[in-house]
Amino acid sequence: EAQVTQNPRYLITVTGKKLTVTCSQNMNHEYMSWYRQDPGLGLRQIYYSMNVEVTDKGDVPEGYKVSRKEKRNFPLILESPSPNQTSLYFCASSLRQGAGEQYFGPGTRLTVT
Amino acid sequence: QKEVEQNSGPLSVPEGAIASLNCTYSDRGSQSFFWYRQYSGKSPELIMSIYSNGDKEDGRFTAQLNKASQYVSLLIRDSQPSDSATYLCAVRRTSYDKVIFGPGTSLSVIP
Repeated sequence: EAQVTQNPRYLITVTGKKLTVTCSQNMNHEYMSWYRQDPGLGLRQIYYSMNVEVTDKGDVPEGYKVSRKEKRNFPLILESPSPNQTSLYFCASSLRQGAGEQYFGPGTRLTVT
Repeated sequence: QKEVEQNSGPLSVPEGAIASLNCTYSDRGSQSFFWYRQYSGKSPELIMSIYSNGDKEDGRFTAQLNKASQYVSLLIRDSQPSDSATYLCAVRRTSYDKVIFGPGTSLSVIP
């Protein structure tokens, strides 16, 4: 089954404790991205990757890191989480940048206290 | 001005009625337009895409595009309670640009 998986689905953590949210896709897609979704603000892109070892900042990259060492995986790293990073996070993939159909993971609800 | 704007809602319609969801965008050079549906607690899924002025129909869904007015809409005919969700409008400038999402409109279909 074609899918994007994310782990964990729910996470409560404390300020400053490093965390990683994993993302994996099995569709051999070139393009992967991370979004955060906040009420009234919609989906905002954090980082994206056009292929292995090629990543770039999206609209709200501050406080986040990513890496793309393998085509299928695109982890999101919060080195020192803060309460303003409490949000719903989605990983998405598509055949290439700009492809209309993006496939979204199930989401990770992060709470930073 | 936000790049993609939508009324946040909630929009409430009775079962069987037509639901009309609207979206405006600021970049006149935008070429591709998408509607995603997102159920509460779930991830967005693509339901319609439209690239040319006019209407595009798919079952109970019709997307309408007017590039001159920078306006795209989604009509849902014979609305069902299962259509209750948030609908996200997304816009892309060229084939190699990223997709920009609007904030979404919450739709509630009342039985």
